[in-house]
Amino acid sequence: GEDVEQSLFLSVREGDSSVINCTYTDSSSTYLYWYKQEPGAGLQLLTYIFSNMDMKQDQRLTVLLNKKDKHLSLRIADTQTGDSAIYFCAESIDNQGGKLIFGQGTELSVKP
Amino acid sequence: KAGVTQTPRYLIKTRGQQVTLSCSPISGHRSVSWYQQTPGQGLQFLFEYFSETQRNKGNFPGRFSGRQFSNSRSEMNVSTLELGDSALYLCASSLGTGITDTQYFGPGTRLTVL
Repeated sequence: GEDVEQSLFLSVREGDSSVINCTYTDSSSTYLYWYKQEPGAGLQLLTYIFSNMDMKQDQRLTVLLNKKDKHLSLRIADTQTGDSAIYFCAESIDNQGGKLIFGQGTELSVKP
Repeated sequence: KAGVTQTPRYLIKTRGQQVTLSCSPISGHRSVSWYQQTPGQGLQFLFEYFSETQRNKGNFPGRFSGRQFSNSRSEMNVSTLELGDSALYLCASSLGTGITDTQYFGPGTRLTVL
């Protein structure tokens, strides 16, 4: 079945690294995405990883994928107060075109 | 390049009414997907349109419908509104060429049903 799970809250200090975790169940997932949502706004695409990759780095963002455990993580280095938002992981499923399955979102709070 | 635009941004309706939301995709994008976001259910897929045809559908009642025009703009309609339809409705556009497409989201339409 299709299910994506995330922890709901994460609190870090400014300058620390943040790690947001996600697990998914569908083994036919092809692409996995991280989106950011700020209050009152839509979803901003942060990064994505193809399911045959283990890691992807993009400036302060590092995505790690463990296909065996169906575990995805997003690491934000040098977290800033502007990173405070809700972060969603999402999977796209083979043969389902534009359909994304989202996790519940992790609310990241960055304290100065 | 302009992003995905949605109109209106905010809408207040009463139970039993119907509503139409509009989404203009990024220029050159042919796929438009719609999602409903609520605090209780999170983000749920409604449907996807590509080249004026519904290509994929989520598990929503028939009161939720949509269409796409030849310029790729899409509208979503909800008839006989219920209190539980209060939500943020997001649309996303992509090239529509396959599963590798990246979806870009608009700011959403906040619908309140009284």
